[in-house]
Amino acid sequence: QVQLQESGPGLVKPSQTLSLTCTVSGGSISSGAHYWNWIRQHPGKGLVWIGYIYYSGSTYYNPSLQSRVTMSVDTSKNQFSLQLSSVTAADTAVYYCARDRSIAAAVGMDVWGQGTTVTVSS
Amino acid sequence: QSALTQPASVSGSPGQSITISCTGSSSDIGAHNYVSWYQQHPGKAPKLMIFDVSNRPSGVSNRFSGSKSGNTASLTISGLQAEDEADYYCSSYTSSTPYVFGTGTKVTVL
Repeated sequence: QVQLQESGPGLVKPSQTLSLTCTVSGGSISSGAHYWNWIRQHPGKGLVWIGYIYYSGSTYYNPSLQSRVTMSVDTSKNQFSLQLSSVTAADTAVYYCARDRSIAAAVGMDVWGQGTTVTVSS
Repeated sequence: QSALTQPASVSGSPGQSITISCTGSSSDIGAHNYVSWYQQHPGKAPKLMIFDVSNRPSGVSNRFSGSKSGNTASLTISGLQAEDEADYYCSSYTSSTPYVFGTGTKVTVL
């Protein structure tokens, strides 16, 4: 059974870069059968898709965040990562990693991490 | 790409059926059959309930069903149970980005 676990600092200072990692267990990112996503949820608000990465390193970002987002993958560690630069208080949110069911369009995210809360504050 | 539009809240009594709508446009829901629905209990991660408009993942109750007409998708919960009280989000593939989520609907079981 595939499981995802987010990790990273819970507190980031304004203007700095937010960095999170998602560790995949029970399955291999290198299988090439899935896209690997990041999603965030502001306090009391809805879900926002940030982007996804494929095991090869190819990415697709939400146009609204594209200028500040970088995703990477480390197949040797079975991990993928999110970096969000120049953060402000508006980036305070719960960040989730999630797996696409397949690589055929947006077919739904069937495995999610538990989420990690990131607060942007000095 | 703007968020898809959902009613803020829907309520029903145990045993009843409720339907949650998700309205998009001809660039997303109207153009593709890639609509998904997620259930989220407070403090928990979302759970996939419906994919490709009307398909249920293994393990999801058949009380949950999905459909689409034009630019609007719908999630119906039949035989409403207390455990169904949660937030529900739709999502769709769009012509400009793989995923856009709905605004979310809070389901209350009276």
